Amino acid sequence: EAGVVQSPRYKIIEKKQPVAFWCNPISGHNTLYWYRQNLGQGPELLIRYENEEAVDDSQLPKDRFSAERLKGVDSTLKIQPAELGDSAVYLCASSDRFGYGYTFGSGTRLTVV
Amino acid sequence: AQSVTQLDSQVPVFEEAPVELRCNYSSSVSVYLFWYVQYPNQGLQLLLKYLSGSTLVKGINGFEAEFNKSQTSFHLRKPSVHISDTAEYFCAVSPYSGAGSYQLTFGKGTKLSVIP
Repeated sequence: EAGVVQSPRYKIIEKKQPVAFWCNPISGHNTLYWYRQNLGQGPELLIRYENEEAVDDSQLPKDRFSAERLKGVDSTLKIQPAELGDSAVYLCASSDRFGYGYTFGSGTRLTVV
Repeated sequence: AQSVTQLDSQVPVFEEAPVELRCNYSSSVSVYLFWYVQYPNQGLQLLLKYLSGSTLVKGINGFEAEFNKSQTSFHLRKPSVHISDTAEYFCAVSPYSGAGSYQLTFGKGTKLSVIP
């Protein structure tokens, strides 16, 4: 069984440019999470989806960040425009409706220059 | 709200020696507790979790942790470490939820360095 797949693995962009990250969760997992991990810190939750509904996006900086999960499967996280402080690793995770099998992807390392 | 404090940012230990990585948490509600490991340039892998029942939890790779409710701690231990255990370890908590999905709050991590 494939795990949580994220792409790209690495991304370098100039500030003020847009960027998007993609996540494909484990098949059958209803819940999808996006986390941001700053250098030397633990991950912090940005948004949680139950199927296609964003049930907790209180930590998502909505002025520049957006996310979608069409059809309750794949998800895309977008930043527009990117700032230097957005440099971090963006992690996606998924779990089934019982909370089991909570699995992280390998992450996308974003560098904004 | 929950918070997690990992008391040591770095822990060096000689190969085959025992190790303990300390974790304390704060929460006004009952919580689930987790330990994750992160190898360089990789995502997080679950080592073990405490949901209920026995306070001593055994995980993968020979790790175990003990939940101490009175001290609000969930320290991770291994009796004999290997070079391959060199990684960063994260303690995390989630409020208890009958809905099943977890809202993980992570500590800042402890870098374990195993010295040959």
